[in-house]
Amino acid sequence: GAGVSQSPSNKVTEKGKDVELRCDPISGHTALYWYRQSLGQGLEFLIYFQGNSAPDKSGLPSDRFSAERTGGSVSTLTIQRTQQEDSAVYLCASSLAAAVITNEQFFGPGTRLTVL
Amino acid sequence: LAKTTQPISMDSYEGQEVNITCSHNNIATNDYITWYQQFPSQGPRFIIQGYKTKVTNEVASLFIPADRKSSTLSLPRVSLSDTAVYYCLVGSRSSNDYKLSFGAGTTVTVRA
Repeated sequence: GAGVSQSPSNKVTEKGKDVELRCDPISGHTALYWYRQSLGQGLEFLIYFQGNSAPDKSGLPSDRFSAERTGGSVSTLTIQRTQQEDSAVYLCASSLAAAVITNEQFFGPGTRLTVL
Repeated sequence: LAKTTQPISMDSYEGQEVNITCSHNNIATNDYITWYQQFPSQGPRFIIQGYKTKVTNEVASLFIPADRKSSTLSLPRVSLSDTAVYYCLVGSRSSNDYKLSFGAGTTVTVRA
């Protein structure tokens, strides 16, 4: 596709439910990133993939958060037993590689998660 | 990543030039300065990157003084569609520096 896509665009769930957020990176991009953005705040790094492996999971807020990437393409961010503080916009980005000339990351439109 | 400081918000009018200054006093020798733009309900978008002096592209110009402790993003003749949050980031172009550290950014509001 032309850009990074994410689904769903909006997700409303009840506290305690599990949710899955999907990211389709730009074709050929080997690096993939997940960030979280709370209202009016900057971006909070969550996890980084190089290919299918995640060398850095240091940003995941708790063990309720997990992510995987298959086939060096699609990635899924799963939040188990959601809490109200998980409400935020979850952004996915991809880049040609971790070490690129500009480190330019291409962002998707995000998934707005609301936990009631 | 080097800490950056930029104004919380700026107001402007259509056709004016907007200059946003970012302070990064502890920038390292191999750090570059990068600016991203974020429109409402969208992910951030890379605008421009520079190391020293001046960089210009079709969107903006980036001015970096000799001491590199600050930088200024210049948006020429802004329009209503330039209303967005602008983020200043400082970091090295290496595989170990992939975590983009966005602060709160500068909210630029362009009025008619």
